[in-house]
Amino acid sequence: NAGVTQTPKFQVLKTGQSMTLQCAQDMNHEYMSWYRQDPGMGLRLIHYSVGAGITDQGEVPNGYNVSRSTTEDFPLRLLSAAPSQTSVYFCASRRTARNTEAFFGQGTRLTVV
Amino acid sequence: EDKVVQSPLSLVVHEGDTVTLNCSYEVTNFRSLLWYKQEKKAPTFLFMLTSSGIEKKSGRLSSILDKKELSSILNITATQTGDSAIYLCAVEAGQAGTALIFGKGTTLSVSS
Repeated sequence: NAGVTQTPKFQVLKTGQSMTLQCAQDMNHEYMSWYRQDPGMGLRLIHYSVGAGITDQGEVPNGYNVSRSTTEDFPLRLLSAAPSQTSVYFCASRRTARNTEAFFGQGTRLTVV
Repeated sequence: EDKVVQSPLSLVVHEGDTVTLNCSYEVTNFRSLLWYKQEKKAPTFLFMLTSSGIEKKSGRLSSILDKKELSSILNITATQTGDSAIYLCAVEAGQAGTALIFGKGTTLSVSS
């Protein structure tokens, strides 16, 4: 039972490069979201989706794009990487948008040099 | 602005001690409060609380929500070194009532 799968686990980018962090879940969950975790900052919400075709911004959306063309996949795109985007990124899914726990992927550690 | 505040930010205890972690919130459209444990990688779910005064319990861990005080506590009794982790509090809230808003976490270190 895979749950939430994130790829890659580690990535180093040069400033200005673009890339996509992949997230897939096999639990038929409606709700998916992306967080970044920085030391001493907890988890901050970047973007979320309440279902296929619907996305919205979280607390820190600048510099990131998302799309949700299928229920299973929710990729996060970095348009032009900056050192401030060095972080650990977590994808999470929930069965529905309300009153349900979030299941997290194992994270992607991204370094922008 | 929605806010979730955890205290203390870090804590060092000896094995066998009992600890209490705090979480307070100021949010719009509160729906539920969740506790997570994060060791090396992904956070893992501990409890979801929606009603005031009803304790949730799992082994040595327990948690309770006080909606009047806008807060929750997580208790760990007879701590073990395996309890060393970051404990995250999250509140389901926001304009649409769907966002999980996290606090900064409490780092617990249990020494043997």
